[in-house]
Amino acid sequence: SQQGEEDPQALSIQEGENATMNCSYKTSINNLQWYRQNSGRGLVHLILIRSNEREKHSGRLRVTLDTSKKSSSLLITASRAADTASYFCATDKGGSEKLVFGKGTKLTVNP
Amino acid sequence: EPEVTQTPSHQVTQMGQEVILRCVPISNHLYFYWYRQILGQKVEFLVSFYNNEISEKSEIFDDQFSVERPDGSNFTLKIRSTKLEDSAMYFCASSEMGNQPQHFGDGTRLSIL
Repeated sequence: SQQGEEDPQALSIQEGENATMNCSYKTSINNLQWYRQNSGRGLVHLILIRSNEREKHSGRLRVTLDTSKKSSSLLITASRAADTASYFCATDKGGSEKLVFGKGTKLTVNP
Repeated sequence: EPEVTQTPSHQVTQMGQEVILRCVPISNHLYFYWYRQILGQKVEFLVSFYNNEISEKSEIFDDQFSVERPDGSNFTLKIRSTKLEDSAMYFCASSEMGNQPQHFGDGTRLSIL
């Protein structure tokens, strides 16, 4: 299987703290994407990092990619209650548009 | 900001009946996808569609499933004879080009009785 695991499975923090979620995968990839899913809603694209990139920022989000360890991390700084959601990483391989998703991390930000 | 829209938001169908799930992808996007998420499980890829044909499909996407782009704006998923295990949230997505961010709709919750 292409996809490994995300950890932690669940994370509970206080507003203002930083949240770090990790994702591992098993095979070589083309891109890795992070998505957010609020309960009962669709997936919202957050950030895409290509296999030749090591770090990417978007607002309060920072994503790193370590292809030698086949892992990625998503850091959300200065978290807000509105960041409460499940976060998924998804990978695609060269020659395929198919996204393979992990099980996700359920983040709870307490006000 | 342009969105992918899906209808209906919830579909309840008797086992064995045909169901059609509808999606309107973002207008300048060329790649279209269907995924599903069974309650409590991972999001799973079903099929990708480009240039009016299926470009890739998963093992889940068997002969009971079909996709169509009937009129240049809608993208549909048809399940011919639904089974209980087809109960899931079905997500449509689109992307401007290949290997670009995929933008998802809010999904159709399909309940098979």
